Amino acid sequence: DGGITQSPKYLFRKEGQNVTLSCEQNLNHDAMYWYRQDPGQGLRLIYYSQIVNDFQKGDIAEGYSVSREKKESFPLTVTSAQKNPTAFYLCASSRERTAYEQYFGPGTRLTVT
Amino acid sequence: KQEVTQIPAALSVPEGENLVLNCSFTDSAIYNLQWFRQDPGKGLTSLLLIQSSQREQTSGRLNASLDKSSGRSTLYIAASQPGDSATYLCAPQENTGNQFYFGTGTSLTVIP
Repeated sequence: DGGITQSPKYLFRKEGQNVTLSCEQNLNHDAMYWYRQDPGQGLRLIYYSQIVNDFQKGDIAEGYSVSREKKESFPLTVTSAQKNPTAFYLCASSRERTAYEQYFGPGTRLTVT
Repeated sequence: KQEVTQIPAALSVPEGENLVLNCSFTDSAIYNLQWFRQDPGKGLTSLLLIQSSQREQTSGRLNASLDKSSGRSTLYIAASQPGDSATYLCAPQENTGNQFYFGTGTSLTVIP
């Protein structure tokens, strides 16, 4: 089955700890994205990557970091510098940056207390 | 920065009714526009992608239109079914191709 996997589905962390969310795709897509979704707000872009070893900040990159060492993988680290990390995190990919659909993973719900 | 508005925020209809969901965006210089559905606690499922050169796209009971000059898109759902109950999101893509901007969605409930 081709698709995007995110793990874990639910994640609980104590304040002050860094946490890494996994995103893997086997669609052979070049571009990958991380979004954050909060109640009553639209999805907001955290980071995106168009090619291996390259990534750009989105609208709300502060307190987050990413890497793109492999085409299939785009992990997101939520650092202790992120002031309000509790949210639903969604990973997406597309064949290329333009003209192609974005496909989404099932999401990871992060709760920080 | 692109602002996306979806009206209505919530909609409840009886099964079998045809319905229209509206999406407006402030910057008409977009590349593509994509419609998604999201079930509670789940990721987004792509419904339709309207490319910049197109004015509409159809898939089964769904039809989406795009008027870039007026900054509007509509999603038409024919003969609605209870399984259509979900939140529907529209996302115009900026013309550099780097980013999609999302509205807050329309929450649809189809009553059997």
